[in-house]
Amino acid sequence: DVKVTQSSRYLVKRTGEKVFLECVQDMDHENMFWYRQDPGLGLRLIYFSYDVKMKEKGDIPEGYSVSREKKERFSLILESASTNQTSMYLCASSQGQGASYNEQFFGPGTRLTVL
Amino acid sequence: KNEVEQSPQNLTAQEGEFITINCSYSVGISALHWLQQHPGGGIVSLFMLSSGKKKHGRLIATINIQEKHSSLHITASHPRDSAVYICAAPRSGTSYGKLTFGQGTILTVHP
Repeated sequence: DVKVTQSSRYLVKRTGEKVFLECVQDMDHENMFWYRQDPGLGLRLIYFSYDVKMKEKGDIPEGYSVSREKKERFSLILESASTNQTSMYLCASSQGQGASYNEQFFGPGTRLTVL
Repeated sequence: KNEVEQSPQNLTAQEGEFITINCSYSVGISALHWLQQHPGGGIVSLFMLSSGKKKHGRLIATINIQEKHSSLHITASHPRDSAVYICAAPRSGTSYGKLTFGQGTILTVHP
């Protein structure tokens, strides 16, 4: 059974802390994505990666960075957490490039609260 | 970037009713995705379709490429269908499968 896992389902951090969200996929997918989901705003792309050590900014990259040292793992980093980063964070992966019809497989999500 | 609009934003139904959720997008695409998100967060892909109609159990998805419109239908709705339904379209001029998502339709089916 294909799977995308995320390191935590719920996370509570304090303002100013450095936060790491980990995502691992076991499907040998080239593409990996980090989204945040907020009520009324839908899913918004933060960063994505199309290969190891390759990354591109999405729509809302400010305050975030990412790391992809291995194909199966894509990490989202909040350098200095702020209360406006309280959100649901979802990781996804998909196979290959150039195909808009490639299905994205999602992780269960991490609900992050920044106090 | 492709703009994606869903309607309605909220939908309440009685068990057994026929349900329709609509999705419109602004730029021509090769395929459109329908996703389902249950309470708790997990998102699963229901359909990817590029033309015509697809059916899976009680779920039917249709797309009209010329009109840039897709619909998701649920026949004989059941309380377990309660979820958020999201449509997503590829971003124009992009590779790597980047998508633009609709805001989602919150469906509640009462017994």
